[in-house]
Formats: sequence, structure tokens, C-alpha cells
Amino acid sequence: NAGVTQTPKFRILKIGQSMTLQCTQDMNHNYMYWYRQDPGMGLKLIYYSVGAGITDKGEVPNGYNVSRSTTEDFPLRLELAAPSQTSVYFCASNTWGSRRENTIYFGEGSWLTVV
Amino acid sequence: AQTVTQSQPEMSVQEAETVTLSCTYDTSESDYYLFWYKQPPSRQMILVIRQEAYKQQNATENRFSVNFQKAAKSFSLKISDSQLGDAAMYFCAYRSGGTYKYIFGTGTRLKVLA
Repeated sequence: NAGVTQTPKFRILKIGQSMTLQCTQDMNHNYMYWYRQDPGMGLKLIYYSVGAGITDKGEVPNGYNVSRSTTEDFPLRLELAAPSQTSVYFCASNTWGSRRENTIYFGEGSWLTVV
Repeated sequence: AQTVTQSQPEMSVQEAETVTLSCTYDTSESDYYLFWYKQPPSRQMILVIRQEAYKQQNATENRFSVNFQKAAKSFSLKISDSQLGDAAMYFCAYRSGGTYKYIFGTGTRLKVLA
């Protein structure tokens, strides 16, 4: 059972560079999320998606973009990387409709350093 | 807006002892879900236990149990017979029954002393 898979696990970027964090899930979940976690802090929602073709901003969307062309994939794009984007990024997913399935599944995280 | 508060940044417990982590939340909704997640040094988020607000019975998963006080908006996690592998950051989380968003507390770091 793969669950939620994120790549890469570690990445160092130079200021101004761009990159994409990949996320895929094999549970046929309609909801997907991107969170960031700064050192010693909780999770902040960047973007989320309620289904293929539908995305919306979370609490901290500036400097990021997302797309959702399929149910499985939800890539996060960082444009013009800044040191403030140094963080651990988590992709997550869950489904809707069943009271039993109100659990969010997380990927293992992607550690990003911008220097 | 809903909020989740974890007032204990750090807790310590002796191996084999019991520890309780606190979580309070604020909401005007009646349909919601509460969760405890464990985050070890690997940073992976692992579901520990969940509670549906409509259930009066407290959830239990092996050594982990919750004390859900709906009127007081309190959702504490009790870990019995603590083990070294329980050392981690623990996050309390809230999800409205009618929305997509999970709201997380700031976490409590649990240290287990041998």
C-alpha cells in the first residue's frame, strides 16, 4: 500500500530558482492538500484541492502554485524560491462521504532549503 | 473561525508511566472530528487516534485513549505504559464535518525518559 508519495525527499535550491514538489496518492481520494511546517511550528495549509480541476488557496499561498489534472496527482510549484520558503512540505489526502473515512493521510515530507 | 490550542509545548514522562497531553478547541459547529497525530523525528505524520463529535464514548487504540469533553471543548490524549518509541511531537487536529480543512495545534513535544 503506497498511500501518499512525495518526491523529492530533500532538495537545496538557490534563491530565485523554481522547482516542483511531486505528490501522488493511490487511494482514489478526492481531497488533497499541501502543508508546510516551519521549525518548531505547526502545519500551515498552502493549497488544497477538492477534486481534479479544482484548487483553492489555503492560509499561506504566496509564492506557490498548484494544479490538479488527475485524481492521483497534486504537484506544488515554487516560483522564484526565497529563504522564507525553507521548510518541510507535506502532501496529504483524504476522502469525503463516509464518516469512517475522516482521516487525513500524509506523505513522508519533503525537506526544502533555499540558500 | 475554529481554533486548536495545545498549551503544553513540551512534556516528559518516565518509561512505563502514564502521561496526558492537553488540547482545547473552539468551534460553534456540532458536527466535527478530532484527531491526534504523532510526528517522530522522521517528520512523517502518523494518525494515533480519532474521535467523532457525535460519539459520546471516548476513543481507544491500545495504549492510547482520549478524554473527550464536548461541552468543555477539550480533547486530551492519554498514553499509558509509555515506551521510548512514543517520544515524538504530538499534534491535535480538528476537522469540520462539512469542510475540507484540517486545523492543527502547534504541537506538544513528548520526551520519554528511560
